[in-house]
Amino acid sequence: DVQLVESGGGVVRPGGSLRLSCAASGFNFDEYGMSWVRQGPGKGLEWVSGINWNGGSTGYADSVKGRFTISRDNAKNSLWLQMNSLRAEDTALYHCARRRYDSGGNYFFDYWGQGAKVTVSS
Amino acid sequence: QSVLTQPPSVSAAPGQKVTISCSGSSSNIGNNYVSWHQHLPGTAPKLLIYDNNKRPSGIPDRFSGSKSGTSATLGITGLQTGDEADYYCGTWDSSLRAVVFGGGTKLTVL
Repeated sequence: DVQLVESGGGVVRPGGSLRLSCAASGFNFDEYGMSWVRQGPGKGLEWVSGINWNGGSTGYADSVKGRFTISRDNAKNSLWLQMNSLRAEDTALYHCARRRYDSGGNYFFDYWGQGAKVTVSS
Repeated sequence: QSVLTQPPSVSAAPGQKVTISCSGSSSNIGNNYVSWHQHLPGTAPKLLIYDNNKRPSGIPDRFSGSKSGTSATLGITGLQTGDEADYYCGTWDSSLRAVVFGGGTKLTVL
């Protein structure tokens, strides 16, 4: 079975840093693009960042561009999100999600992790 | 403010049918495929529908999806108490060049 397990969440002060990890199992990790999607308190889902199968292409939401960095290690079946210069509005549950292409050549998310909680507060 | 618009909540009795709407624009729903996800707090979101109306293996046919123009709809028949969850629509936005979601709809099975 496909499993995605996030870790590394916690409480951090504004301006601080945190690194989230996602351990993948049950599928050929190096065949899929991956993403991070977050849900703020009382809010809907928001795509944060994505990376292609070999790490050669990455993308970021405008709200995190320049502050967050996504990376992966296919040998370790692992995905990471380095979060710097954190702000109160980054407080959210962060899910890693597997990307899959739809019939139009764009992608959607077919498997999700339970999420890692990040709280940015002084 | 989410790019796609969903009603905040819907409710129906066990055994009944409910529909959840998702409204967008020509840059997203109007020209791209829609997916639907079920999320029970504390658990991983689950894919219910992709490509507007296709179900992944293991998803019962009580769940259905449709799309017309710039709107999409999730239908759930034979409601069960276990269906109580938040439901999200998602699609690609060609202008933003990213996956966008609705704000979520909380389903209550009375």
